[in-house]
Formats: sequence, structure tokens, C-alpha cells
Amino acid sequence: RKEVEQDPGPFNVPEGATVAFNCTYSNSASQSFFWYRQDCRKEPKLLMSVYSSGNEDGRFTAQLNRASQYISLLIRDSKLSDSATYLCVVNAMNYGGATNKLIFGTGTLLAVQP
Amino acid sequence: EAQVTQNPRYLITVTGKKLTVTCSQNMNHEYMSWYRQDPGLGLRQIYYSMNVEVTDKGDVPEGYKVSRKEKRNFPLILESPSPNQTSLYFCASKEGLGLSYEQYFGPGTRLTVT
Repeated sequence: RKEVEQDPGPFNVPEGATVAFNCTYSNSASQSFFWYRQDCRKEPKLLMSVYSSGNEDGRFTAQLNRASQYISLLIRDSKLSDSATYLCVVNAMNYGGATNKLIFGTGTLLAVQP
Repeated sequence: EAQVTQNPRYLITVTGKKLTVTCSQNMNHEYMSWYRQDPGLGLRQIYYSMNVEVTDKGDVPEGYKVSRKEKRNFPLILESPSPNQTSLYFCASKEGLGLSYEQYFGPGTRLTVT
């Protein structure tokens, strides 16, 4: 089982739609979770961190479900400029506990259509 | 402008011809790392450095070398490139070791080894 799994998509949605991505992680002890955005052929950029209580940044809402080991990203009122690949990122664990190493999912491709 | 730069951005080379990809950051960050990104595999860490003269292997270090003689620079060296090292490479840096620090990526280097 991969440490971080995402549906690769593509998710094709019309402008204005609400779209949600899920990501599952294998290590129940993982502590830090992030969503990164990557435009085609560009570098990844941090979109938002994911906190236990859930957090919102404008049209974007991230949530963490520790019991089921998944994190989600909800995008409301999709814009054409939201078209990108969204990477789920989790910190790695080892026998000593949490590490500073990040594990990246393979990404979910979102295409917002006019 | 705070940034991570990489050079070259694109490189086509032949098997066995040594090459170096440079990485430089102007944010006085302690932590730097190299990733490769391949379809279906996501970003995988090659090497990282916690400070000057302190480097360690990531998940896929075989065939690569790094050095950290100055805080701002972290070159990636391929002594004898092979076709399986054809990939998109990203350098990244962050202020410190902790997971709360945002990781900044360079623009990427697309390497093709024939």
C-alpha cells in the first residue's frame, strides 16, 4: 500500500462548481498534513496546511479525519485559474517517531471548464 | 525577491557524461533538499541537507551526489548519468527543520539522458 494515495483524476468540472478531493495515508501516527498545488510543468507551492480542527482559506477548506486516515480538500466556486494538480503531503514516521521528511502523493488533476 | 533558483532548466545529455545541476536560495534557509518527480511516482527525495557540511540520503540517492559548502548553494551531481535518471528535478529549501516551516521549491530542471 502506498504511504499516501490520491485519485489521479482528472476531475473535469464547470466554472462555479464545488469539487472535493480525498487523500488517504497509511501511517496512523502521522502528524502533519498539507495540500500543495502544482501547475503544469511548474514547481509545487504550498496551498494550505491541514489542522485537526479543519481550516478554511477563502474558497478552500481542508479537513482531517484521523479515524479513517484521510484528508480532504474542498474547493467552492471553482475558477478557471484553479486548474492544476493538487498534491497531498504527509510527514513521514519512523521508529523514532515523527520525522521532518515529507511524503508526497502523486496528485489529483483538476480541470475547470468554462 | 525571495527565491530558489536552479540551473540549467532543461538539459539533454548522454549516458556517462558527468553533470551538475546548481541550486541556490537567497533566504538564508538552513534546510535544503533535492527531489525527483516521475509520472505515477510523485515527488521523491534524493538528498537533503540540514546545514553547511551536513547532508544525508533521502529515498532515492543512488547515482547522485550533493555538497553543501555554503549555506545558499546545494548542487546535485550526477557522476555517470543513466537513462533511468531522466526526470524532473526540484530543489527546495526551508528556514528550519520543523514541519511548520514552509518549503519553497525551485522552478525545476528537466533532464533527459539518452
